[in-house]
Amino acid sequence: DQQVKQNSPSLSVQEGRISILNCDYTNSMFDYFLWYKKYPAEGPTFLISISSIKDKNEDGRFTVFLNKSAKHLSLHIVPSQPGDSAVYFCAASVSQGAQKLVFGQGTRLTINP
Amino acid sequence: NAGVTQTPKFRVLKTGQSMTLLCAQDMNHEYMYWYRQDPGMGLRLIHYSVGEGTTAKGEVPDGYNVSRLKKQNFLLGLESAAPSQTSVYFCASSYQGLAGSEQYFGPGTRLTVT
Repeated sequence: DQQVKQNSPSLSVQEGRISILNCDYTNSMFDYFLWYKKYPAEGPTFLISISSIKDKNEDGRFTVFLNKSAKHLSLHIVPSQPGDSAVYFCAASVSQGAQKLVFGQGTRLTINP
Repeated sequence: NAGVTQTPKFRVLKTGQSMTLLCAQDMNHEYMYWYRQDPGMGLRLIHYSVGEGTTAKGEVPDGYNVSRLKKQNFLLGLESAAPSQTSVYFCASSYQGLAGSEQYFGPGTRLTVT
């Protein structure tokens, strides 16, 4: 049972436009959500997070939106840059205890010049 | 400050052989984790530790053992490797926070079992 799902394996966006990556979850106990970025042959790196007490968190060009009723979150990147081309993983956890992350399958984002 | 390091970076094993993957972190983090990444499946938690001397099973623990004898090190062992364990293995660590905290990942170990 996939508790965190990223239904788009890939996304192609033109440089300068907005990239929107989506993620759905099923476990209502999750209260902390994160996005990670991964380049080939490297480990994932933390990008941005959001607590369930918020519905939006912004950091520079990156904004994460959380819709708890729909159990859906999205990552907006604007404007998109060539260096943003990577695989993006959505992850969710219960913030108390061991804070184990449950990851989605990932979305490969390609920014075209 | 090296962050999270993993040894080795690559390894090829024959079925039935054993090996140990080493993870080290220099951030004084309490929590450490081992994941595997397979195509189309994201990262899945194998085992984790919430402190020195403690370990617990994750989502896919079968065929693996772990030890956390020192706070900075987390070892992942394969006693009898199988082709199904061909994967990329990532170690991560995090600070014990009340409101959730991000995990910091190592560069990964690519393991092939033939």
